[in-house]
Amino acid sequence: AQRVTQPEKLLSVFKGAPVELKCNYSYSGSPELFWYVQYSRQRLQLLLRHISRESIKGFTADLNKGETSFHLKKPFAQEEDSAMYYCALRTDSWGKLQFGAGTQVVVTP
Amino acid sequence: DAMVIQNPRYQVTQFGKPVTLSCSQTLNHNVMYWYQQKSSQAPKLLFHYYDKDFNNEADTPDNFQSRRPNTSFCFLDIRSPGLGDAAMYLCATSRGGDPVENIQYFGAGTRLSVL
Repeated sequence: AQRVTQPEKLLSVFKGAPVELKCNYSYSGSPELFWYVQYSRQRLQLLLRHISRESIKGFTADLNKGETSFHLKKPFAQEEDSAMYYCALRTDSWGKLQFGAGTQVVVTP
Repeated sequence: DAMVIQNPRYQVTQFGKPVTLSCSQTLNHNVMYWYQQKSSQAPKLLFHYYDKDFNNEADTPDNFQSRRPNTSFCFLDIRSPGLGDAAMYLCATSRGGDPVENIQYFGAGTRLSVL
């Protein structure tokens, strides 16, 4: 069965502290994973995807097929990182996505 | 520039009164999706169109229908809204077919209230 698990509903961190959002997946095929972010009163938007292997806004995520994980990390959290983060798994060739339940990140000064 | 536009942003309807939500896109993307997102939950895919091919999710209630008259527009029709259908409805598009470029672009959503 295809599944995306984000175990943390809420992560509260101090500004300047590292932040890591966990994402685990279950998928029988070759996975394609994404992190989407939704800032307050804004639309859901792509943050990064594993095939790009890039850093966006200081965030990185590495696909670990052995652990079936795609955790999102940032070494120094900023207040503007406060948002809802969704991990998503592409489940067909048309780009259909299975979303995790989301993690709300709150960065306090 | 908004590329996926949803109208209206807020919609109030009465229990059992049909309602239509609208989505348009300027990206010329092949694929259009409709998601339902309830409070504090992940977006849940209802159905999607690849060009004119309609693909319904197995657990999408029959109460929900969709139309795509052309590439730019897609509509979500709720035939008889119930209180449980109150949610944010998100429209998204993607180019489709090419895995490297396959990113979904979301509209701002329509928040539906059912009285």
